[in-house]
Amino acid sequence: QVQLVQSGSELKKPGASVKVSCKASGYTFTNYAMNWVRQAPGQGLEWMGWINTNSGNPTYAQGFTGHFVFSLDTSVSTAYLQINSLKAEDTAVYYCARELVGWFDPWGQGTLVTVSS
Amino acid sequence: EIVMTQSPATLSVSPGERATLSCRASQSVSSNLAWYQQKPGQAPRLLIYDASTRATGIPARFSGSGSGTEFTLTISSLQSEDFAVYYCQQYSNWPRTFGQGTKVEIK
Repeated sequence: QVQLVQSGSELKKPGASVKVSCKASGYTFTNYAMNWVRQAPGQGLEWMGWINTNSGNPTYAQGFTGHFVFSLDTSVSTAYLQINSLKAEDTAVYYCARELVGWFDPWGQGTLVTVSS
Repeated sequence: EIVMTQSPATLSVSPGERATLSCRASQSVSSNLAWYQQKPGQAPRLLIYDASTRATGIPARFSGSGSGTEFTLTISSLQSEDFAVYYCQQYSNWPRTFGQGTKVEIK
């Protein structure tokens, strides 16, 4: 079945970097774009952007340019989200989600990134 | 950016009753609207896309309607597993945007 499996929770200090992985299975990885969505504690869903899994070209939503980086390793059907220079306000659950024709299905299980000194 | 506004923020419903959730777009999104369900500690799950098409495996008690700027998600007879937060999302324009969510709680 189509599935996205994300890497586990991370606890990082301010200023550090983190790389979250999202491994796809059950479909041809390069046929669908991959999106990233953030959910801060107790808050709603915020679209971060997407990456073209054919070209590797990323597109970032406003507010997510700068220290967020989307990348791929198509040989292992995996997308990555790297966050550099972490700040406390980056504490959130980060989801990857396959995009069909605009909607997202399925979603990864989420990765909690906690930034604390 | 298209702003999606959901109402009410919280809906208290008894099991077996009907629930009606609203989503309004700040400009027309045609039928390019999806609904998701999120339970505590879980990822969102796609319920409806293209405003009214149920996703695979979604029970018939979930239905979506509307077009343009006004949309509705109806749960015809609430089951215990339906108590959750529901989000709408437009994919007519970039950036993709979500509503702030409606929490459906047990009355």
